[in-house]
Amino acid sequence: GENVEQHPSTLSVQEGDSAVIKCTYSDSASNYFPWYKQELGKRPQLIIDIRSNVGEKKDQRIAVTLNKTAKHFSLHITETQPEDSAVYFCAASIKNTDKLIFGTGTRLQVFP
Amino acid sequence: DGGITQSPKYLFRKEGQNVTLSCEQNLNHDAMYWYRQDPGQGLRLIYYSQIVNDFQKGDIAEGYSVSREKKESFPLTVTSAQKNPTAFYLCASSMIVAGTDTQYFGPGTRLTVL
Repeated sequence: GENVEQHPSTLSVQEGDSAVIKCTYSDSASNYFPWYKQELGKRPQLIIDIRSNVGEKKDQRIAVTLNKTAKHFSLHITETQPEDSAVYFCAASIKNTDKLIFGTGTRLQVFP
Repeated sequence: DGGITQSPKYLFRKEGQNVTLSCEQNLNHDAMYWYRQDPGQGLRLIYYSQIVNDFQKGDIAEGYSVSREKKESFPLTVTSAQKNPTAFYLCASSMIVAGTDTQYFGPGTRLTVL
């Protein structure tokens, strides 16, 4: 079946450094790739998304890149701040459905 | 996502008891979803519904049931057949428009079996 692999499972960075989280998907027909941020005990919140007709998208300190040939996409956070500390989930759409399949999450810790 | 509400926030269940989790949205979204989240794991799909009076099983539907009698509401019942129900349950909704799959989440219900 379809799956999404996410790495690393934990990531610690110093404030001001960059953080990169990578995901690989299996369904070549996937065409929508959102990223969610979830703070402890809270709901996941969409932070950025990308569609298969675009290779890169940026929103202030956050960017996502997509490589359709290799079937992987990445989240880049620059100039990290302590408030970026959270669990980040990637997801990929499943062909001909409205379903998403999620990665297992990356716990990002930003140390002051 | 402020238009999706879940209740209760915390729920305690005794062994052998059925419980129902509420999910309501006022976003006029067509599709609604239930996910289960366990510590250190991603979100796993339990059930989803694209239209009133219709729903489909997700990856882990055993021991759960749903109904979709109204567009705004998608309650989840955790039955006694679910052997390990302690988890964080998240409801989500999305608008079904070609190429738009963004899902917005409710605040979640934390279920604990006593």
